[in-house]
Amino acid sequence: GQSLEQPSEVTAVEGAIVQINCTYQTSGFYGLSWYQQHDGGAPTFLSYNALDGLEETGRFSSFLSRSDSYGYLLLQELQMKDSASYFCAWVADDYKLSFGAGTTVTVRA
Amino acid sequence: DAGITQSPRYKITETGRQVTLMCHQTWSHSYMFWYRQDLGHGLRLIYYSAAADITDKGEVPDGYVVSRSKTENFPLTLESATRSQTSVYFCASSEWEVETAGELFFGEGSRLTVL
Repeated sequence: GQSLEQPSEVTAVEGAIVQINCTYQTSGFYGLSWYQQHDGGAPTFLSYNALDGLEETGRFSSFLSRSDSYGYLLLQELQMKDSASYFCAWVADDYKLSFGAGTTVTVRA
Repeated sequence: DAGITQSPRYKITETGRQVTLMCHQTWSHSYMFWYRQDLGHGLRLIYYSAAADITDKGEVPDGYVVSRSKTENFPLTLESATRSQTSVYFCASSEWEVETAGELFFGEGSRLTVL
């Protein structure tokens, strides 16, 4: 079957660095995306990796290793507003996106 | 206003009734998607569409019907609502070019309660 695995919860203090791992078992893999969702809100796009390596967007970076079927989202200089759920999603070669169950990040003062 | 809008934002209905959730986007994106979100399940794909008159099933299509007669609209119909369809429904769109594959734009969601 096809699956995406990510931790359910992560807690860290302001200013810290958090890494959210995502391992996948899929067929027809095209790329890996990351989304943020605050309570009661809609998911918003953060990053997309089609190729192996690191993509940096401000305080957030995302990494992909196709050979290891693994990716991660790195959140640096954590702020209170980063408290949210983060989802990895794999992009299939038929253009649909399937999401993981999400990781709840709690930032403490 | 430009963007993607869903209506209604909140809906309460009864078991067995037909419900249609509307989704409209102004970007002329080719791809549109419907997801449902339940606690502990993340977002699950119901149906998606690559263009007008082209639709395909996702992970959880049973009990739902979609149509796409125009590029900008992608309504989702629950033909006979059941309590298990109580959920938050998100519509999304994407242009799906090589560089931006994986970037979906989501609507604000439609919160449906089936009594």
